[in-house]
Amino acid sequence: LAKTTQPISMDSYEGQEVNITCSHNNIATNDYITWYQQFPSQGPRFIIQGYKTKVTNEVASLFIPADRKSSTLSLPRVSLSDTAVYYCLVGDMYNNNDMRFGAGTRLTVKP
Amino acid sequence: DTAVSQTPKYLVTQMGNDKSIKCEQNLGHDTMYWYKQDSKKFLKIMFSYNNKELIINETVPNRFSPKSPDKAHLNLHINSLELGDSAVYFCASSQGSGANPYEQYFGPGTRLTVT
Repeated sequence: LAKTTQPISMDSYEGQEVNITCSHNNIATNDYITWYQQFPSQGPRFIIQGYKTKVTNEVASLFIPADRKSSTLSLPRVSLSDTAVYYCLVGDMYNNNDMRFGAGTRLTVKP
Repeated sequence: DTAVSQTPKYLVTQMGNDKSIKCEQNLGHDTMYWYKQDSKKFLKIMFSYNNKELIINETVPNRFSPKSPDKAHLNLHINSLELGDSAVYFCASSQGSGANPYEQYFGPGTRLTVT
């Protein structure tokens, strides 16, 4: 499974756009990129998944460059309730349902 | 309605005891999982299970065993509890074969404290 590297923590202010980048230099051809969000004292929640280019849903956007060696989760206009840990996962979901969570990025949104 | 539920939410017990954590999902999913999140917040998969296959993470001690009475339930039994078993345990589910196994729905967690 590809190893992922994310910043340990990030701070932001309400109303700002937040971009969290994940490095996955040894991503394999069949690997997908998945992001989860975990609030304190709760289980992780699936946010978004992509393979290449850009994916957008009601919560976030995911940008993946052509070489796929990194990806960026973009949260538009964050609020205090977006304070959470964000995990980037990379894996071949069609041949391996073993999700490996890294340390994640602790995002703190300030008023 | 809660999609994935776990009981109990908190469990405090002594070393050497045997305990169980229950998990139920009402999503109609075929695959269920157990994860352990330690004090450093690292989340590690312990088991994945559907009605055909149990996949065990090789690092999980055999004191831990999943038991599935039916497709909607996957309970975790732990024998001879040790101090190092203290952690938050999460149950999760996904649709199963043919669907996206990386889109999992997690329960609220069970905080286990072994004294």
